[in-house]
Parts: sequence; C-alpha cells; structure tokens
Amino acid sequence: GAVVSQHPSRVICKSGTSVKIECRSLDFQATTMFWYRQFPKQSLMLMATSNEGSKATYEQGVEKDKFLINHASLTLSTLTVTSAHPEDSSFYICSASGQGADTGELFFGEGSRLTVL
Amino acid sequence: LAKTTQPISMDSYEGQEVNITCSHNNIATNDYITWYQQFPSQGPRFIIQGYKTKVTNEVASLFIPADRKSSTLSLPRVSLSDTAVYYCLVGGFSGNTPLVFGKGTRLSVIA
Repeated sequence: GAVVSQHPSRVICKSGTSVKIECRSLDFQATTMFWYRQFPKQSLMLMATSNEGSKATYEQGVEKDKFLINHASLTLSTLTVTSAHPEDSSFYICSASGQGADTGELFFGEGSRLTVL
Repeated sequence: LAKTTQPISMDSYEGQEVNITCSHNNIATNDYITWYQQFPSQGPRFIIQGYKTKVTNEVASLFIPADRKSSTLSLPRVSLSDTAVYYCLVGGFSGNTPLVFGKGTRLSVIA
C-alpha cells in the first residue's frame, strides 16, 4: 500500500514555543490530507482537512490560528502548533488520499507525539 | 457521516476466532465499510473494506448483511499480537471524504 510518513515521531517543547509536524506521501500524490489528534485512551478526532493549494477546512472547535496547516505541494502537508501549551500535548496523526493511492482506503502516518512542558 | 457503534472492549484467548460487530443504522447508499487496527502510539492500519456480502483477505473477513446496517469483522485464530483497538468506519469511496472515528473496540488477547 501507499506510504505516508510523519516527522518528527516525538517532540518535546517548552510552553509558548511553536512546533511543526510534517506529513509526507512517499509514493503517491496526496491531493487531500487529513489531520487528527488523539488523547490517551481516546479515539482519533478529526482536526482539519487540507487540499493541495487551498486553505484547510477546520472542524468545529479547532482554532485555525493555533493549528496552522499548509499543504503547498502534492507530497507534503505541515501542521504547526503555535504557542503550544501543556493541553496541546497529544498524538497527532495525518492521513492522505489522492492520485496513485487506492481510493476508499486512507493511509495513515505513524503519528507524532507532542509533549509540551 | 454515518455514526457507528461497537463494543468498547473484548477479551479472547489465543487461537480463538474473534468477531467484532459494528452497527451503522444510518449508512448511506454510497458508503463503504472499512475497518482499521491501531496499536499504541501508532497510526491506524487498514484491515479490510467492503460494500456488501462478504469480503475476505489474508488477515480477516468482513460480513455485511443485506440491509448493511451492521457489519462483523472476523479475525481467525488470534494471537497476542492482535491485541489492539479496532475501528469500524463508514464513508464514501472517493477518498476525499474524511473518516470519522468512533470509540473503537479494544481487543485483548490472552495466552
């Protein structure tokens, strides 16, 4: 199946700093990428949908100015957590679909664990 | 997007067949049913997908009745490494529609 890679897998930062997480589709062109957040023992919560070359669509309750999403190319989307606080500590997961990937099957990255001190 | 309901948790001994049922009463005509597996601190991994009747691959079978209001994931002869959370999702086939995750079923396989 298609491969989606996230980086970094783990990041620890101080409160107030910004952190960028990258999501790459390695062997297909991802026209659409989705960002999820998962707290311990909970399910994945959809944060936003990003389409290449356009602004992301955020789910209700997700602050677009805090979670900046950029999908400037067909193989890369980034999520920047701005002015991170301890409550932003979570497991962030991206998924991608698009040309060259089997439709109907979303491919997920390995996830990025953010810890804000 | 159709909402799904699954048992919160299940326990099984190694070597047994495990069946996890998911209810999706409001499934739409163009919705597919997809199951994912997630291990701790990893992204979900695709297991199987179907539209109706029965689908089988090398790791699981998916049974879907005619009314499509439910589906059953069948894992033959589970092992300890099958301990994970299993999510049932319904959605369009286009791939451009986000998948909305329910609470999933936490399967614990014991020796």
